[in-house]
Amino acid sequence: DSGVTQTPKHLITATGQRVTLRCSPRSGDLSVYWYQQSLDQGLQFLIQYYNGEERAKGNILERFSAQQFPDLHSELNLSSLELGDSALYFCASSVVEDGELFFGEGSRLTVL
Amino acid sequence: QQQVKQSPQSLIVQKGGISIINCAYENTAFDYFPWYQQFPGKGPALLIAIRPDVSEKKEGRFTISFNKSAKQFSLHIMDSQPGDSATYFCAANNFNKFYFGSGTKLNVKP
Repeated sequence: DSGVTQTPKHLITATGQRVTLRCSPRSGDLSVYWYQQSLDQGLQFLIQYYNGEERAKGNILERFSAQQFPDLHSELNLSSLELGDSALYFCASSVVEDGELFFGEGSRLTVL
Repeated sequence: QQQVKQSPQSLIVQKGGISIINCAYENTAFDYFPWYQQFPGKGPALLIAIRPDVSEKKEGRFTISFNKSAKQFSLHIMDSQPGDSATYFCAANNFNKFYFGSGTKLNVKP
């Protein structure tokens, strides 16, 4: 158990819909990262927050947004969903911004 | 453009053999190179990591070899075991961005 909690574990929705994925980082970790992993693909970096502030952006679509709240949990919002958005979405946290990443078990999104 | 290129995509090794996975990068600003191990249904977990000021790091049966001039690094798993069967990702870090390779699916046959 990494100490990073992601909910929901599984989510099935339709095209055009909007979903929110939630991440609770390990206790004490200030940095939260979001990654997308499509079938048999690597981990695509989406976005990173540190203590509530956005610090780095990867290949995140404009339809996607995220935020980190004062209690350090983070949410990834995916809107106008398309079939190609079906993937595993991982959250990771770390104490410092270039240290070890601790991953949650992911949220599997299926868009039908 | 993929920041970190990983090969092979899949690897089959007999129990007791050596598994070797290779990664290459272009950005010389990367300064932290971790390897992550992922079992089915789980998130990746840190296996071993190296910084560019050393050429090799060993932890148990796992060794990272790092070639700064060639901008390449590799993971060697000695005495590979069936329990090592998993997907392995290399990664490179620059400030607060971690870039991952595409992954190698390792199957260690008994």
